[in-house]
Amino acid sequence: DAGITQSPRHKVTETGTPVTLRCHQTENHRYMYWYRQDPGHGLRLIHYSYGVKDTDKGEVSDGYSVSRSKTEDFLLTLESATSSQTSVYFCAISETTSGGAKTQYFGPGTRLLVL
Amino acid sequence: GENVEQHPSTLSVQEGDSAVIKCTYSDSASNYFPWYKQELGKGPQLIIDIRSNVGEKKDQRIAVTLNKTAKHFSLHITETQPEDSAVYFCAASRTHGQNFVFGPGTRLSVLP
Repeated sequence: DAGITQSPRHKVTETGTPVTLRCHQTENHRYMYWYRQDPGHGLRLIHYSYGVKDTDKGEVSDGYSVSRSKTEDFLLTLESATSSQTSVYFCAISETTSGGAKTQYFGPGTRLLVL
Repeated sequence: GENVEQHPSTLSVQEGDSAVIKCTYSDSASNYFPWYKQELGKGPQLIIDIRSNVGEKKDQRIAVTLNKTAKHFSLHITETQPEDSAVYFCAASRTHGQNFVFGPGTRLSVLP
Protein backbone atom coordinates (compact mmCIF):
# COMPACT_ATOMS: atom_id res chain seq x y z
CA ASP A 1 0.00 0.00 0.00
CA ALA A 2 2.75 2.42 -1.02
CA GLY A 3 3.93 3.28 2.50
CA ILE A 4 0.52 4.44 3.71
CA THR A 5 -1.08 3.41 6.99
CA GLN A 6 -4.49 4.33 8.32
CA SER A 7 -5.70 4.17 11.89
CA PRO A 8 -7.90 2.89 13.25
CA ARG A 9 -8.77 0.23 10.69
CA HIS A 10 -12.21 -0.31 12.19
CA LYS A 11 -14.31 1.91 14.41
CA VAL A 12 -17.82 1.81 15.83
CA THR A 13 -19.14 5.03 17.33
CA GLU A 14 -22.40 6.66 18.30
CA THR A 15 -24.25 9.50 16.62
CA GLY A 16 -23.10 12.88 17.86
CA THR A 17 -19.62 11.84 18.97
CA PRO A 18 -16.43 13.28 17.42
CA VAL A 19 -14.23 10.92 15.43
CA THR A 20 -10.72 11.42 14.08
CA LEU A 21 -9.13 9.19 11.46
CA ARG A 22 -5.41 9.30 10.82
CA CYS A 23 -3.42 8.77 7.64
CA HIS A 24 0.33 8.40 7.84
CA GLN A 25 2.74 8.17 4.89
CA THR A 26 6.43 7.37 4.66
CA GLU A 27 6.83 8.46 1.01
CA ASN A 28 7.26 12.22 1.65
CA HIS A 29 4.60 12.91 -1.02
CA ARG A 30 3.24 16.42 -1.18
CA TYR A 31 -0.41 15.64 -1.87
CA MET A 32 -2.77 13.73 0.42
CA TYR A 33 -6.45 12.97 -0.01
CA TRP A 34 -9.40 11.62 1.93
CA TYR A 35 -12.11 9.68 0.07
CA ARG A 36 -15.19 7.85 1.18
CA GLN A 37 -16.44 4.74 -0.57
CA ASP A 38 -20.11 3.77 -0.62
CA PRO A 39 -21.93 1.16 -2.72
CA GLY A 40 -22.92 2.52 -6.11
CA HIS A 41 -20.89 5.72 -5.70
CA GLY A 42 -17.34 4.60 -6.19
CA LEU A 43 -14.84 6.84 -4.43
CA ARG A 44 -15.77 10.44 -3.64
CA LEU A 45 -13.28 13.07 -2.56
CA ILE A 46 -13.87 14.64 0.86
CA HIS A 47 -10.82 16.92 1.32
CA TYR A 48 -7.30 17.08 0.03
CA SER A 49 -4.02 18.71 1.00
CA TYR A 50 -1.31 20.16 -1.23
CA GLY A 51 1.16 20.83 1.56
CA VAL A 52 1.55 21.38 5.29
CA LYS A 53 -1.36 23.52 6.49
CA ASP A 54 -2.70 23.76 2.90
CA THR A 55 -6.04 22.02 2.42
CA ASP A 56 -9.11 22.35 0.23
CA LYS A 57 -12.60 20.89 -0.05
CA GLY A 58 -13.67 18.08 -2.28
CA GLU A 59 -17.02 16.92 -3.59
CA VAL A 60 -18.51 15.76 -0.26
CA SER A 61 -16.87 17.92 2.42
CA ASP A 62 -19.93 18.84 4.53
CA GLY A 63 -19.58 17.50 8.09
CA TYR A 64 -15.84 16.86 7.77
CA SER A 65 -12.72 18.85 8.60
CA VAL A 66 -9.05 18.06 8.04
CA SER A 67 -5.67 19.11 9.32
CA ARG A 68 -2.12 18.60 8.16
CA SER A 69 0.56 19.82 10.56
CA LYS A 70 3.29 17.54 9.21
CA THR A 71 4.06 16.25 5.72
CA GLU A 72 3.50 12.66 6.80
CA ASP A 73 0.17 12.99 8.62
CA PHE A 74 -3.30 13.95 7.37
CA LEU A 75 -6.18 13.84 9.85
CA LEU A 76 -9.88 13.62 9.02
CA THR A 77 -12.32 14.71 11.73
CA LEU A 78 -16.03 14.15 11.95
CA GLU A 79 -17.04 16.82 14.47
CA SER A 80 -20.36 15.17 15.28
CA ALA A 81 -20.79 11.82 13.57
CA THR A 82 -24.07 10.99 11.82
CA SER A 83 -25.35 7.67 10.47
CA SER A 84 -24.92 8.98 6.91
CA GLN A 85 -21.17 9.05 7.57
CA THR A 86 -21.05 5.29 7.97
CA SER A 87 -18.66 4.35 5.19
CA VAL A 88 -15.21 3.09 4.31
CA TYR A 89 -12.66 5.90 4.30
CA PHE A 90 -9.53 5.80 2.18
CA CYS A 91 -6.49 7.99 2.31
CA ALA A 92 -4.43 8.50 -0.84
CA ILE A 93 -1.12 10.18 -1.62
CA SER A 94 0.40 11.49 -4.80
CA GLU A 95 3.32 13.34 -6.25
CA THR A 96 3.53 15.09 -9.57
CA THR A 97 4.86 12.79 -12.27
CA SER A 98 7.02 13.93 -15.17
CA GLY A 99 3.88 14.14 -17.29
CA GLY A 100 2.19 16.46 -14.81
CA ALA A 101 -0.62 14.14 -13.74
CA LYS A 102 -0.72 13.15 -10.12
CA THR A 103 -0.98 9.37 -9.85
CA GLN A 104 -2.68 8.50 -6.58
CA TYR A 105 -1.84 5.57 -4.31
CA PHE A 106 -4.31 4.38 -1.70
CA GLY A 107 -4.07 3.19 1.88
CA PRO A 108 -5.85 0.10 3.27
CA GLY A 109 -8.96 1.97 4.46
CA THR A 110 -10.87 2.57 7.70
CA ARG A 111 -14.31 1.04 8.13
CA LEU A 112 -16.49 3.37 10.20
CA LEU A 113 -19.90 2.46 11.59
CA VAL A 114 -21.99 5.20 13.20
CA LEU A 115 -24.86 3.85 15.29
CA GLY B 1 -17.81 19.24 -13.41
CA GLU B 2 -16.55 15.90 -14.59
CA ASN B 3 -18.85 12.88 -14.63
CA VAL B 4 -17.57 9.36 -15.21
CA GLU B 5 -19.86 6.48 -16.12
CA GLN B 6 -18.74 2.86 -16.07
CA HIS B 7 -20.26 -0.27 -17.61
CA PRO B 8 -21.08 -2.99 -16.88
CA SER B 9 -21.59 -2.90 -13.12
CA THR B 10 -21.02 -6.65 -12.90
CA LEU B 11 -19.25 -8.99 -15.30
CA SER B 12 -18.76 -12.75 -15.17
CA VAL B 13 -16.39 -14.53 -17.53
CA GLN B 14 -14.95 -18.01 -17.81
CA GLU B 15 -11.30 -18.45 -16.95
CA GLY B 16 -9.20 -17.85 -20.05
CA ASP B 17 -11.74 -15.56 -21.71
CA SER B 18 -11.30 -11.81 -22.16
CA ALA B 19 -13.03 -9.10 -20.14
CA VAL B 20 -13.76 -5.55 -21.26
CA ILE B 21 -14.88 -2.68 -19.03
CA LYS B 22 -15.88 0.65 -20.56
CA CYS B 23 -15.93 4.18 -19.14
CA THR B 24 -17.15 7.47 -20.54
CA TYR B 25 -16.30 10.92 -19.27
CA SER B 26 -17.82 14.36 -19.80
CA ASP B 27 -14.99 16.89 -19.34
CA SER B 28 -13.07 17.32 -22.60
CA ALA B 29 -10.19 18.83 -20.58
CA SER B 30 -9.55 15.53 -18.78
CA ASN B 31 -6.38 13.93 -20.05
CA TYR B 32 -5.25 11.38 -17.46
CA PHE B 33 -7.13 8.09 -17.03
CA PRO B 34 -6.04 5.54 -14.40
CA TRP B 35 -7.55 2.16 -13.66
CA TYR B 36 -7.62 0.65 -10.19
CA LYS B 37 -8.25 -2.89 -8.94
CA GLN B 38 -9.74 -3.37 -5.50
CA GLU B 39 -9.73 -6.72 -3.77
CA LEU B 40 -12.03 -7.45 -0.85
CA GLY B 41 -11.01 -5.58 2.29
CA LYS B 42 -8.17 -3.70 0.60
CA GLY B 43 -7.52 -0.29 -0.85
CA PRO B 44 -7.61 0.33 -4.62
CA GLN B 45 -4.37 -0.55 -6.42
CA LEU B 46 -3.29 1.20 -9.61
CA ILE B 47 -2.99 -1.35 -12.42
CA ILE B 48 -2.55 0.79 -15.53
CA ASP B 49 -3.00 4.38 -16.65
CA ILE B 50 -3.07 6.29 -19.91
CA ARG B 51 -2.56 9.90 -20.92
CA SER B 52 -4.41 11.63 -23.71
CA ASN B 53 -1.42 11.78 -26.03
CA VAL B 54 -1.55 7.98 -26.28
CA GLY B 55 -4.32 5.88 -27.85
CA GLU B 56 -3.42 2.53 -26.34
CA LYS B 57 -1.18 1.14 -23.63
CA LYS B 58 -0.42 -2.47 -22.80
CA ASP B 59 1.09 -4.24 -19.80
CA GLN B 60 1.17 -8.02 -20.16
CA ARG B 61 -2.46 -9.22 -20.05
CA ILE B 62 -3.89 -5.75 -19.42
CA ALA B 63 -4.48 -3.02 -21.98
CA VAL B 64 -6.25 0.31 -21.98
CA THR B 65 -7.58 2.14 -25.02
CA LEU B 66 -8.62 5.78 -25.23
CA ASN B 67 -10.87 7.55 -27.73
CA LYS B 68 -10.67 11.26 -26.95
CA THR B 69 -13.11 12.24 -29.67
CA ALA B 70 -15.82 10.00 -28.26
CA LYS B 71 -14.66 10.60 -24.67
CA HIS B 72 -14.45 6.98 -23.70
CA PHE B 73 -11.75 4.60 -22.54
CA SER B 74 -11.73 0.88 -21.93
CA LEU B 75 -9.86 -1.73 -19.90
CA HIS B 76 -9.13 -5.04 -21.60
CA ILE B 77 -7.99 -8.11 -19.67
CA THR B 78 -7.00 -11.14 -21.74
CA GLU B 79 -6.58 -14.75 -20.60
CA THR B 80 -8.42 -14.01 -17.38
CA GLN B 81 -7.50 -15.90 -14.22
CA PRO B 82 -9.42 -16.38 -10.95
CA GLU B 83 -7.08 -13.89 -9.24
CA ASP B 84 -8.39 -11.20 -11.61
CA SER B 85 -11.68 -11.35 -9.71
CA ALA B 86 -12.09 -7.96 -8.01
CA VAL B 87 -13.82 -4.60 -8.36
CA TYR B 88 -12.31 -2.35 -11.02
CA PHE B 89 -12.58 1.44 -11.03
CA CYS B 90 -11.81 3.88 -13.79
CA ALA B 91 -11.09 7.55 -13.14
CA ALA B 92 -10.53 10.76 -15.07
CA SER B 93 -8.46 13.80 -14.19
CA ARG B 94 -7.03 16.94 -15.68
CA THR B 95 -3.25 16.92 -15.82
CA HIS B 96 -2.89 19.73 -13.36
CA GLY B 97 -6.15 19.22 -11.54
CA GLN B 98 -6.39 17.94 -8.00
CA ASN B 99 -9.40 15.77 -8.36
CA PHE B 100 -9.82 12.30 -9.69
CA VAL B 101 -13.43 11.56 -10.55
CA PHE B 102 -14.10 7.86 -10.25
CA GLY B 103 -16.60 5.65 -11.98
CA PRO B 104 -18.93 3.56 -9.78
CA GLY B 105 -16.97 0.36 -10.31
CA THR B 106 -17.31 -3.02 -12.07
CA ARG B 107 -17.34 -6.27 -10.13
CA LEU B 108 -15.50 -8.86 -12.23
CA SER B 109 -15.90 -12.54 -11.44
CA VAL B 110 -13.68 -15.06 -13.23
CA LEU B 111 -15.23 -18.49 -13.04
CA PRO B 112 -12.86 -21.50 -12.97
